[in-house]
Amino acid sequence: DVKVTQSSRYLVKRTGEKVFLECVQDMDHENMFWYRQDPGLGLRLIYFSYDVKMKEKGDIPEGYSVSREKKERFSLILESASTNQTSMYLCASTTGGVYEQYFGPGTRLTVT
Amino acid sequence: KNEVEQSPQNLTAQEGEFITINCSYSVGISALHWLQQHPGGGIVSLFMLSSGKKKHGRLIATINIQEKHSSLHITASHPRDSAVYICAVRSGNQFYFGTGTSLTVIP
Repeated sequence: DVKVTQSSRYLVKRTGEKVFLECVQDMDHENMFWYRQDPGLGLRLIYFSYDVKMKEKGDIPEGYSVSREKKERFSLILESASTNQTSMYLCASTTGGVYEQYFGPGTRLTVT
Repeated sequence: KNEVEQSPQNLTAQEGEFITINCSYSVGISALHWLQQHPGGGIVSLFMLSSGKKKHGRLIATINIQEKHSSLHITASHPRDSAVYICAVRSGNQFYFGTGTSLTVIP
């Protein structure tokens, strides 16, 4: 079974703090994604990566950066957290080609 | 811009009812996914479709590529089916998501 894990289920941070969200997958998937999910807006893509050290901006990259130094790990960084970044963050991975996308359990981040 | 549109947004049904959730999309796709998300839970994949129809237990998913439309049906609905159902399409390396249909099945 594919497993996608995220470093925290719940996180509370203060405005201005640097925040790291980590995602690890154990199936050697090439593609990894970071989404945020907000009520009424659905899932929105922040960044994705289709190979080690490769990254592409999604629909809402502002205020975020990412790092992929190893194939199994994709990190999302909030350089200076703001209250409008309070959200559910979901990581996903997939192989290339037409295959399923596997999701992590999500991290509910609250910025106060 | 909404590449994927779902309807209805909210749905309440009595236990045992037949349920249909619809999804329309506007981009060229290699596959369409139906996902399920329980409250507080992660997202699991129910189906991946590129043509025709798939069935898994009481769930049936169909896709019409020419009309760019897919439906998810639940037969003999049960309270444990209460969840948000999300339609997603894959276009190249990108995924586009609908905003979800929140289903509540009342005993």
